[in-house]
Amino acid sequence: QSVLTQPPSVSGAPGQRVTISCTGSSSNIGAGYDVHWYQQLPGTAPKLLIYGNSNRPSGVPDRFSGSKSGTSASLAITGLQAEDEADYYCQSYDSSHVVFGGGTKLTVL
Amino acid sequence: EVQLVESGGGLVQPGGSLRLSCAASGFTFSSYWMSWVRQAPGKGLEWVANIKQDGSEKYYVDSVKGRFTISRDNAKNSLYLQMNSLRAEDTAVYYCARDPGYSSLFFDYWGQGTLVTVSS
Repeated sequence: QSVLTQPPSVSGAPGQRVTISCTGSSSNIGAGYDVHWYQQLPGTAPKLLIYGNSNRPSGVPDRFSGSKSGTSASLAITGLQAEDEADYYCQSYDSSHVVFGGGTKLTVL
Repeated sequence: EVQLVESGGGLVQPGGSLRLSCAASGFTFSSYWMSWVRQAPGKGLEWVANIKQDGSEKYYVDSVKGRFTISRDNAKNSLYLQMNSLRAEDTAVYYCARDPGYSSLFFDYWGQGTLVTVSS
C-alpha cells in the first residue's frame, strides 16, 4: 500500500490529453512538500519528468506538465504519442522519508 | 556526462549478505546527497536509504533498518549498500540515484540498476 495513491492505469489515443492523479495526505503533499514525477519506459531506469510540482528538466517536451493543489497533484500529457507509453510515478516526502506513488501504466491506444 | 553504474547484484540465499556498489562520474560526487531506490519485479519504486555529502547523516526505510547500511567513499566517487540478513522480499532491482540538492528531495539521475535475487 503506497503512501501516495495513483490510478493503476490510464489510456488515450494518439494526440489526446491524459492526466494522472497522485493523491496524498496532510503529512506529505498537504504539508507543503513538493511533488515530482518520473517516467519509466519498459526495461529501463526511471527518468525525471517533472520536479518541484511543475518544472520540467531540460530536454523534457512541454507536452508534459505538472500541478499541485491541496493534498493532490497531477501530471498532464498533451498530444499523446506512442513513445509516451510507460509507467509514471509521483514522489514526495513524508515523515523524513521519500515516498513514491504506486505507479500508473499509460497505454497509448 | 553524469553516469551512475551499479554493480554487485546477484543470487543470494535468505539470511545472506551482499554489497552493492555505485560508481559515479561526470559530476562532483562529494557535493551531492545520494540514495538507493529499489523496484521489486513487476512492482513500483521504493526508496531504501540516503546519505549526506560527507556521510554524516544516513536515513533508511523502516523495512531495512538494522539490516542495510549505506556508505560512500568520496575519494573513489562511489556509493555502497551493505545488505545483511537478506529476505525474499528484498528481491529487487536496486538503483542508485542523485539528489540535485534543490529545496526538496528528488532524483535527477539514476543508474541502470543491479538485480538482487534472494532465494534458496
